[in-house]
Amino acid sequence: AQSVTQLGSHVSVSEGALVLLRCNYSSSVPPYLFWYVQYPNQGLQLLLKYTTGATLVKGINGFEAEFKKSETSFHLTKPSAHMSDAAEYFCAAGSSNYQLIWGAGTKLIIKP
Amino acid sequence: DSGVTQTPKHLITATGQRVTLRCSPRSGDLSVYWYQQSLDQGLQFLIQYYNGEERAKGNILERFSAQQFPDLHSELNLSSLELGDSALYFCASSVDQSGANVLTFGAGSRLTVL
Repeated sequence: AQSVTQLGSHVSVSEGALVLLRCNYSSSVPPYLFWYVQYPNQGLQLLLKYTTGATLVKGINGFEAEFKKSETSFHLTKPSAHMSDAAEYFCAAGSSNYQLIWGAGTKLIIKP
Repeated sequence: DSGVTQTPKHLITATGQRVTLRCSPRSGDLSVYWYQQSLDQGLQFLIQYYNGEERAKGNILERFSAQQFPDLHSELNLSSLELGDSALYFCASSVDQSGANVLTFGAGSRLTVL
């Protein structure tokens, strides 16, 4: 069965430090991969989406993610964390054949 | 404003009661999804409708039901409410039923069962 795994339910980084949120998907998952962000007291919104093509995907607010088929990973990064990045981040995988499969989410905590 | 409208924003009710949550999808979107988000269970997919028909079911309890009307708005009915049903309920919409599409989420309805 397809699955999406996010490593770490909570990740804490200092303001200005690199943000790295990890996401791995099962190898049978077709190529549509997503990162969504949920700010406090809000609904989820799309951060970025990977389809076929360029493996490095740029999203909003300076985030980007790299699709690595050999590692079945789609990690999310941002070079320099800002306080406003504090939120919960969800990785998801989808296909034209089945519904979105969601990771459990990672709460990003930014330390001043 | 995402274009997906959910009402009510907050709802407080008692155990055993029944409530209805409403969702209007973004203009042009034919698919509606319902999700439940709670502290202990995280984000759980409940059900999806496409153009009025049920398309996929997730972890939806038998006490819960949903439908999508001809004007494409959707309602999620929760009955015989229990304390554990307290959660945020999100509606999302997309252009069609494909899992490859981006979902647009509403702001959610926060249900508190006392």
